[in-house]
Amino acid sequence: DIQMTQSPSSLSASVGDRVTLTCRASQDISNDLAWYQQKPGKAPKSLIYATSNLQSGVPLKFSGSGSGTDFTLTISSLQTEDFATYYCQQYNSYPYTFGQGTKLEIK
Amino acid sequence: QVQLQESGPGLVKPSETLSLTCTVSGVFGDSISNYYWSWIRQPPGKALEWIGYVCCSGSAIYNPSLKSRVIISIDTSNNQFSLRLRSVTAADTAVYYCARQRMVRGLIWDFDSWGQGTLVTVSS
Repeated sequence: DIQMTQSPSSLSASVGDRVTLTCRASQDISNDLAWYQQKPGKAPKSLIYATSNLQSGVPLKFSGSGSGTDFTLTISSLQTEDFATYYCQQYNSYPYTFGQGTKLEIK
Repeated sequence: QVQLQESGPGLVKPSETLSLTCTVSGVFGDSISNYYWSWIRQPPGKALEWIGYVCCSGSAIYNPSLKSRVIISIDTSNNQFSLRLRSVTAADTAVYYCARQRMVRGLIWDFDSWGQGTLVTVSS
């Protein structure tokens, strides 16, 4: 299985900050990477697919980059609604696997 | 806009079979046979785990970690797909989500639509 490792596991930031979350795959997954946002008690919500493509309706303050094994999700100008847990997921090979998540908290 | 809704028992006894159904609405062409449909679970306080998917003709791919215990099937006439997980233990306690997989140029990609999830507890 491809292991997905996210860092940091938690991050404290302030409203208005710009933050970058990292996801590393244990082997080359090309650009077959997605990011999801999950709020407590809710289902994950698709944010980005194919490393850098925004899901319809997702604000432009979210952006993704990377390829191969190293990927990032950047959120510019944090707002209160952005504080959540973020997961990366690879769909390059079976079984699909998720990272353990990065919990973004208000400082 | 596609909508997914999980249904099924919230409590299952150890060693028994967990059965869930996902009802899909709002699919283009009004048929779920055009897409791939997955089950994903999340134990309390933990990360997400992909269980497997089913498509169109009923063919399915499963996570090897669960393959010996799981069956995912599809009922296109009722726009539903289902999960059966046998011989459950407390480790199978989780929120179970159904989700649609994005398809791009015939390739299966990530999960673009999710159900709200249903908590299944395994306990006697």
